[in-house]
Amino acid sequence: KQEVTQIPAALSVPEGENLVLNCSFTDSAIYNLQWFRQDPGKGLTSLLLIQSSQREQTSGRLNASLDKSSGRSTLYIAASQPGDSATYLCAVSDTGRRALTFGSGTRLQVQP
Amino acid sequence: SAVISQKPSRDICQRGTSLTIQCQVDSQVTMMFWYRQQPGQSLTLIATANQGSEATYESGFVIDKFPISRPNLTFSTLTVSNMSPEDSSIYLCSVGASAGASQPQHFGDGTRLSIL
Repeated sequence: KQEVTQIPAALSVPEGENLVLNCSFTDSAIYNLQWFRQDPGKGLTSLLLIQSSQREQTSGRLNASLDKSSGRSTLYIAASQPGDSATYLCAVSDTGRRALTFGSGTRLQVQP
Repeated sequence: SAVISQKPSRDICQRGTSLTIQCQVDSQVTMMFWYRQQPGQSLTLIATANQGSEATYESGFVIDKFPISRPNLTFSTLTVSNMSPEDSSIYLCSVGASAGASQPQHFGDGTRLSIL
């Protein structure tokens, strides 16, 4: 059974810092990996999707990498802003039904 | 990307009652999923809603407690039956990518359910 772990569980940084969120998964037979953002009391916003054949994806100040063989992904946020404060969730999709298995999330607080 | 509407957005219910949550998508999709997010926790898959057949439930979730309907390719419902305080959670509907691995999975805004 797939298990997804995210480290750290919480992170507080001053505005402007570059930061890295980590995600690991136990079964490398994935269809793709997604990073989501969740604001308090809200649903999920998809940030980046990396297909199993890809190594990285970029969107603005966000860059996500994938090392499928080692079961790891990182989300890099450049020049963090207070508006980046949210919980970031990593999720992997299986090759069958394509349902998602989620990590427990990293709660990010960016201090002005 | 698909637009997903969930109703209700929130509700407060009495112990022992049942509530049906609706999920409407603006386009036809093959895969629809229901997730639960308990307070302070991440998301856990409840079941996959299949059009024209029974839903596929994950370990720990049963049809009697969480009956699901999928009458067509744009709509699904999840019922939370005989509710107890432990069912207080956010319930989210999502749709899977029908166009391959390059399309992300999208979520509705969720239904925040509190049981008294």
